[in-house]
Amino acid sequence: DAGITQSPRYKITETGRQVTLMCHQTWSHSYMFWYRQDLGHGLRLIYYSAAADITDKGEVPDGYVVSRSKTENFPLTLESATRSQTSVYFCASSIRDRVSPLHFGNGTRLTVT
Amino acid sequence: AQSVTQLGSHVSVSEGALVLLRCNYSSSVPPYLFWYVQYPNQGLQLLLKYTSAATLVKGINGFEAEFKKSETSFHLTKPSAHMSDAAEYFCAVSDRGAGGTSYGKLTFGQGTILTVHP
Repeated sequence: DAGITQSPRYKITETGRQVTLMCHQTWSHSYMFWYRQDLGHGLRLIYYSAAADITDKGEVPDGYVVSRSKTENFPLTLESATRSQTSVYFCASSIRDRVSPLHFGNGTRLTVT
Repeated sequence: AQSVTQLGSHVSVSEGALVLLRCNYSSSVPPYLFWYVQYPNQGLQLLLKYTSAATLVKGINGFEAEFKKSETSFHLTKPSAHMSDAAEYFCAVSDRGAGGTSYGKLTFGQGTILTVHP
């Protein structure tokens, strides 16, 4: 089915470990985004990508790494997880248009112990 | 930098009552504005958007919002609340003036949780 899929849905990891969150979309949208959702902060942009091999930092990029070798995939890596990175992470995509909506995945709930 | 403020982190209404969720933006030029809804354990879904074609925008599920430039507001309303409207609602802004690779970047408000009582 067409859509945007995030995996895993839930993840528990320990402080200091590397963890990768996966995001895959089937629409061939140019733009992809990673947001984190925390109580009282709404959604904050971590990184975004305008196309394959083009990525840029958002509001809260520290401690995260992204790559986009293929249009449909946009993985997010926490190089050395910290407790402050416990959050719900959402991947989204959109076509190259300021007024087109973002299409969101169902999120990954990450807990860092 | 643009920003979005949602007044009230929680709003509670009775079924059948008016729903009013407030959103104010701060931007040097009128931006594009969006309302999204999030149901439990799901991602966000677009309710409606303002792109300057009309100041009163109608969305899905009976919601509408009015862009008021003089008040820098984009409040979301629904005449009669339904139990199924219980969710978290987010106002978001996209910079109209941005170009290059910044297309599609949204700045979100903090969210408003809507509770509907029978």
